[in-house]
Amino acid sequence: KQEVTQIPAALSVPEGENLVLNCSFTDSAIYNLQWFRQDPGKGLTSLLLIQSSQREQTSGRLNASLDKSSGRSTLYIAASQPGDSATYLCAVGGTSGNTPLVFGKGTRLSVIA
Amino acid sequence: GAVVSQHPSRVICKSGTSVKIECRSLDFQATTMFWYRQFPKQSLMLMATSNEGSKATYEQGVEKDKFLINHASLTLSTLTVTSAHPEDSSFYICSARDGGTGGFGQPQHFGDGTRLSIL
Repeated sequence: KQEVTQIPAALSVPEGENLVLNCSFTDSAIYNLQWFRQDPGKGLTSLLLIQSSQREQTSGRLNASLDKSSGRSTLYIAASQPGDSATYLCAVGGTSGNTPLVFGKGTRLSVIA
Repeated sequence: GAVVSQHPSRVICKSGTSVKIECRSLDFQATTMFWYRQFPKQSLMLMATSNEGSKATYEQGVEKDKFLINHASLTLSTLTVTSAHPEDSSFYICSARDGGTGGFGQPQHFGDGTRLSIL
C-alpha cells in the first residue's frame, strides 16, 4: 500500500528566503506526482504535475523534482512571499492511469513579512 | 482550463439530516470521479471512486449505505451523507481528471470542497 510522507510538518521562514519541501513515497511504481496548495478552509490548487518519466517541472518561482527510483520529490520555492503561506500537499498517482491520488499530510508553511 | 465545481460549499444541519453534495466537471467529461474526506489537520483520505453508469467503489471502512454515491452523467457525481451525525462533520472534496485531452497524464482537478457541520 502506497504511503506518502512529507517533511517538515510545519515551516516558518522570513520573507525572501528560498525553501525546500520534501515528499517521499514507499512504492516507486507511480504514474505521476502532483503538488497542491491548500489555504485554510479551502480546496486544493494544483501547482505542478510531474509525470513518472520526468525529472522536474517549473512554474514561476516553483520547481518540483522527482526521483522515482528513490521515492522522493522536492518542491523548491524561490524568494518566498507572505502570500505563499499555506499548506502544501504532495500526492502520487498509481500506475493504472485513472487512479485516485494518495496524499501526504502536508507541510504547513508560514512566510513572515 | 478544466474546472470542477462543487456545491454547496458549506452545510450546517441537525443530526439525522441527509445532505447531498454535487460535483460537476464544467468543461470536460469524467467517467470517474473521486470523493475524499479531510478531518482537521489531517490529509485527504479517499472515500470512494465514483464510476459513471455503475456502482461506486468504496474504500475499506467507508459505509456505502451511509455515503451514497450517484454518477448518473459524465459531468455529475453526487455524494449523499444519509442520517448525518456529528462524527460525519468533515471537509468533503471531489476530484476528476480530464482523460479526453492527453489521457490520464493530465492533472486531477479538485472542487473547492464542502465543509459539513452536523450539530
